[in-house]
Amino acid sequence: KNEVEQSPQNLTAQEGEFITINCSYSVGISALHWLQQHPGGGIVSLFMLSSGKKKHGRLIATINIQEKHSSLHITASHPRDSAVYICAVRVETSYDKVIFGPGTSLSVIP
Amino acid sequence: NAGVMQNPRHLVRRRGQEARLRCSPMKGHSHVYWYRQLPEEGLKFMVYLQKENIIDESGMPKERFSAEFPKEGPSILRIQQVVRGDSAAYFCASSPYKGSPLHFGNGTRLTVT
Repeated sequence: KNEVEQSPQNLTAQEGEFITINCSYSVGISALHWLQQHPGGGIVSLFMLSSGKKKHGRLIATINIQEKHSSLHITASHPRDSAVYICAVRVETSYDKVIFGPGTSLSVIP
Repeated sequence: NAGVMQNPRHLVRRRGQEARLRCSPMKGHSHVYWYRQLPEEGLKFMVYLQKENIIDESGMPKERFSAEFPKEGPSILRIQQVVRGDSAAYFCASSPYKGSPLHFGNGTRLTVT
């Protein structure tokens, strides 16, 4: 079993739909990142959170530390949101290790 | 303030050659991390460095791979005697201190022919 899992693996949505991507993890963490990667492109950090909820534009990220679960929501999705979304956790070690989830590939159709 | 700079963006090497990948962290960032993304796979941690020190190299293959982050200049990931299986995207990230948000570079895509 992977230490960080994401669901769904692939997601196709119609423009305008509300989208949720889930992340669950099995290790103790100090923080969790949500990252975005466009095909052949670099990686952009969307959020880093350790509790509660953060919002940036149409993106919302939540985390439940007790349940070891985080969600990334996209409201009013747009084709430019098409990308791979990666959950990454910072492990509670002295070495600040990061473990990545397998990613969720999102395609938003006009 | 420029972001994390990686070069080259694309690197082609023949089997047996050496590959050198460079990462210049953001100004003021002394923590550097290297990650590898194999085709159709997720990102995997390779090594975590601070200036002149390797903090955690538990993700580095035991042979042919090495990393450094000298007092002056960029961090270097060096792969000796490359093989086809080394073909991947290599990403660098930096942060100013432990636990702070990571800033990623655009990656170096290594192709071994």
